[in-house]
Amino acid sequence: GAGVSQSPSNKVTEKGKDVELRCDPISGHTALYWYRQSLGQGLEFLIYFQGNSAPDKSGLPSDRFSAERTGGSVSTLTIQRTQQEDSAVYLCASSLDGRGQGSAGELFFGEGSRLTVL
Amino acid sequence: GNSVTQMEGPVTLSEEAFLTINCTYTATGYPSLFWYVQYPGEGLQLLLKATKADDKGSNKGFEATYRKETTSFHLEKGSVQVSDSAVYFCALRPSKAAGNKLTFGGGTRVLVKP
Repeated sequence: GAGVSQSPSNKVTEKGKDVELRCDPISGHTALYWYRQSLGQGLEFLIYFQGNSAPDKSGLPSDRFSAERTGGSVSTLTIQRTQQEDSAVYLCASSLDGRGQGSAGELFFGEGSRLTVL
Repeated sequence: GNSVTQMEGPVTLSEEAFLTINCTYTATGYPSLFWYVQYPGEGLQLLLKATKADDKGSNKGFEATYRKETTSFHLEKGSVQVSDSAVYFCALRPSKAAGNKLTFGGGTRVLVKP
């Protein structure tokens, strides 16, 4: 499809295991974002990629979290040694240009990956 | 820092009722303001936006006016439908220099009953 695609849609894991979440942005979008939505909470910014620039990692909650974006397209969010508090819906979004030129704040979101850590 | 506060839900109302969801923000400079909506089983999508003070954003019968004096961007709709049942998120972009890294409020769940 033409939208942002995320996988898996649901992931159940045991505490201490590593997980990888994948995001396939809209073709041609140079900016990619990861957010986290915990139960009863708003969207918490995690990390932002803009083209070939160094990513803005200011929202990553701990060094167990990392993300990469290969070839300016697909991104993978990795959570190492998962904890129960990592349980949340992880949302990926993309936009035409993260610097706000021509896109004026419109992010296109995927449906999210729901992570449950037992 | 930047923050967005919106009324907690859930908000339950009958079809054709008037809907208001309050949103206030804290930001330095001149932010742009947005409402995003998340329908059941779908990703968030942009509903409307306003980029400067006194601008009014509108879409699908919803409206919100950027009020700098009260740092607010309340969402309103005069006559809701069952299909408006969703979670609504208020958000801000601090400045163009910040790119599209948005700060979101906690979301307000709206349930419209027939």
